[in-house]
Amino acid sequence: DTGVSQDPRHKITKRGQNVTFRCDPISEHNRLYWYRQTLGQGPEFLTYFQNEAQLEKSRLLSDRFSAERPKGSFSTLEIQRTEQGDSAMYLCASSPATGEGNTIYFGEGSWLTVV
Amino acid sequence: EDKVVQSPLSLVVHEGDTVTLNCSYEVTNFRSLLWYKQEKKAPTFLFMLTSSGIEKKSGRLSSILDKKELFSILNITATQTGDSAVYLCAVEAYNTDKLIFGTGTRLQVFP
Repeated sequence: DTGVSQDPRHKITKRGQNVTFRCDPISEHNRLYWYRQTLGQGPEFLTYFQNEAQLEKSRLLSDRFSAERPKGSFSTLEIQRTEQGDSAMYLCASSPATGEGNTIYFGEGSWLTVV
Repeated sequence: EDKVVQSPLSLVVHEGDTVTLNCSYEVTNFRSLLWYKQEKKAPTFLFMLTSSGIEKKSGRLSSILDKKELFSILNITATQTGDSAVYLCAVEAYNTDKLIFGTGTRLQVFP
C-alpha cells in the first residue's frame, strides 16, 4: 500500500498523559499536513510542512502540541498533558505540491480518546 | 475570515434518486475547490475545480464551480446505498497551502 499511513489508529489515554502520533506520507510528496476532526465537523487545519520546514501553524495548535518532520519524510505529532477536549481524530495528509491546485490525500486517521 | 458553508447538513433519499449538494465559500485569492467523500474513515478525494463552468464528471458523480457566485454543486444521479457518506467541500487560497473545509453534508441512501 503506497497511501498515507498513520500509527496508531486508536489511542486511549488518561488526562495529563502525553501521546505521539506518526505519519508516513506518500513517497515523494513533499508537503505533509496535520488536521483534526471532531464528530459532525469537517477537518480543521493544524499545521503543515514543506519537506522538513514547518511553514504554517494554526491558532488551534496550543503550546501543548508539537509537530516535527525531521528528515522531510515521516512526521510526528505530540500532544503533551492531554485534556478531554483533545479527543478527536487526527488526520495526516500529503500532497505533491504541483502548480495546479493542491490535491491532498488523507491517511486513515488516528483516533484519540482522553479519559 | 475564510469560510465554507455546505447545505443541506443532512439528506435522506431512496436508491435511484438524484441529489444535489451545495457548497458556498468566502475566501480571499481563491485557487481551487475540492470535494471529498468520507465514510467511517479518512476523506477520499473526488474532484478538484479551478475554473468556472467546467463540469468534472466521474460516473454518476459530477461537479461544477461558479466563481462569480462563489459556489459549487455536487450531483449524484441514480444513488446507491454505497453513496451513503459525508461529502466534504474544501477551498484553497493562493496565499496559503491549507484547505478550509465545510462541515459536510451527510447523505443517507436507503434501499
